[in-house]
Amino acid sequence: ETGVTQSPTHLIKTRGQQVTLRCSSQSGHNTVSWYQQALGQGPQFIFQYYREEENGRGNFPPRFSGLQFPNYSSELNVNALELDDSALYLCASRGDRVADTQYFGPGTRLTVL
Amino acid sequence: DQQVKQNSPSLSVQEGRISILNCDYTNSMFDYFLWYKKYPAEGPTFLISISSIKDKNEDGRFTVFLNKSAKHLSLHIVPSQPGDSAVYFCAAKGNRDDKIIFGKGTRLHILP
Repeated sequence: ETGVTQSPTHLIKTRGQQVTLRCSSQSGHNTVSWYQQALGQGPQFIFQYYREEENGRGNFPPRFSGLQFPNYSSELNVNALELDDSALYLCASRGDRVADTQYFGPGTRLTVL
Repeated sequence: DQQVKQNSPSLSVQEGRISILNCDYTNSMFDYFLWYKKYPAEGPTFLISISSIKDKNEDGRFTVFLNKSAKHLSLHIVPSQPGDSAVYFCAAKGNRDDKIIFGKGTRLHILP
């Protein structure tokens, strides 16, 4: 039990649609990161937010965007969904030190048809 | 270009014996190495880490060894238990950066 929750658990969308995934971090964790895990791969870093500002981004196009709120919740938004966006999406939160452990949520399984 | 490589997709080990999971990396700027364990339908769970200034870190049944010159690390689990059956991810990051680079994972099966 990491104290990080994500919703929904599963989601099915069609190509071209938009999706919003949600994450609730541990209380006091001001840093949240999002990862995409495709089948048979390790998680890939999408971006990170600290106190509601994006402060790091991986190799993902601008149609992947995020929001972080003061109540330790955050969102990942994906526009113009493509078939290759089908994956497990993980959020992870940590305390304010870079060396602090990142705690992962259980993920949202997105299927794009 | 995979910066963190786990070349064994799966590994089977007898219960009670030692499990050794291997990992290689290419980026000499990595400062911190981590192992995560993942069960189905759960997110990765942090297991153990090692700073680049050390060559060994131990936590109970789990020991991580780092060989910087070879850019290689390994996770030893001894003795292996049935609950250790899971996917293990090797990961790395820089000391100023939160971006964790994961390997593809190794599925460990502990046999009765």
